[in-house]
Amino acid sequence: DAMVIQNPRYQVTQFGKPVTLSCSQTLNHNVMYWYQQKSSQAPKLLFHYYDKDFNNEADTPDNFQSRRPNTSFCFLDIRSPGLGDAAMYLCATSMGGPRYEQFFGPGTRLTVL
Amino acid sequence: GEDVEQSLFLSVREGDSSVINCTYTDSSSTYLYWYKQEPGAGLQLLTYIFSNMDMKQDQRLTVLLNKKDKHLSLRIADTQTGDSAIYFCAPEQSYGGATNKLIFGTGTLLAVQP
Repeated sequence: DAMVIQNPRYQVTQFGKPVTLSCSQTLNHNVMYWYQQKSSQAPKLLFHYYDKDFNNEADTPDNFQSRRPNTSFCFLDIRSPGLGDAAMYLCATSMGGPRYEQFFGPGTRLTVL
Repeated sequence: GEDVEQSLFLSVREGDSSVINCTYTDSSSTYLYWYKQEPGAGLQLLTYIFSNMDMKQDQRLTVLLNKKDKHLSLRIADTQTGDSAIYFCAPEQSYGGATNKLIFGTGTLLAVQP
């Protein structure tokens, strides 16, 4: 089945220790998104790629970076995680453009100790 | 920016209808979506409505859109315990090019009592 896969499902890191979250897709979609969802809150878009073009949201902290080495994979790098970065991180993909549904992965739960 | 508001909690009995409401501020949204999130899981698309429609029915789901009042609702008929989840309203915003952006509401926790 075509799908969006996120690894790992649970990630524990230490305060200030860089961490990378992974997303892959078998849908061959042009667009890949990263959302941050804190406990009991709505998902908040951090950034997205349309093919190789990176689009950062204005209020995304510099601590968050992303890489998309090819169509299938996209990574979220947190350079120096703080306690406030503990959240569920959701990856989504779409064909791009209006009315193209976003397909979500199961998420990675990040804990910062 | 866009604000999307939902009531936080709704409790219904199994077999009853559930109505989840959403208000938004950006009238330019072309498509408006409803997503479901079960505990510890990602988001699952339930249904959507195009902005030139007033109503859309999809099996047990009915979406009503009042563009004048910027009000969207999701009705679930014959609610089951498996419908217990958080429901997010998500109007779409365009970047003006090839990609779209979802602005999620605060989410409504639906609790279905057996």
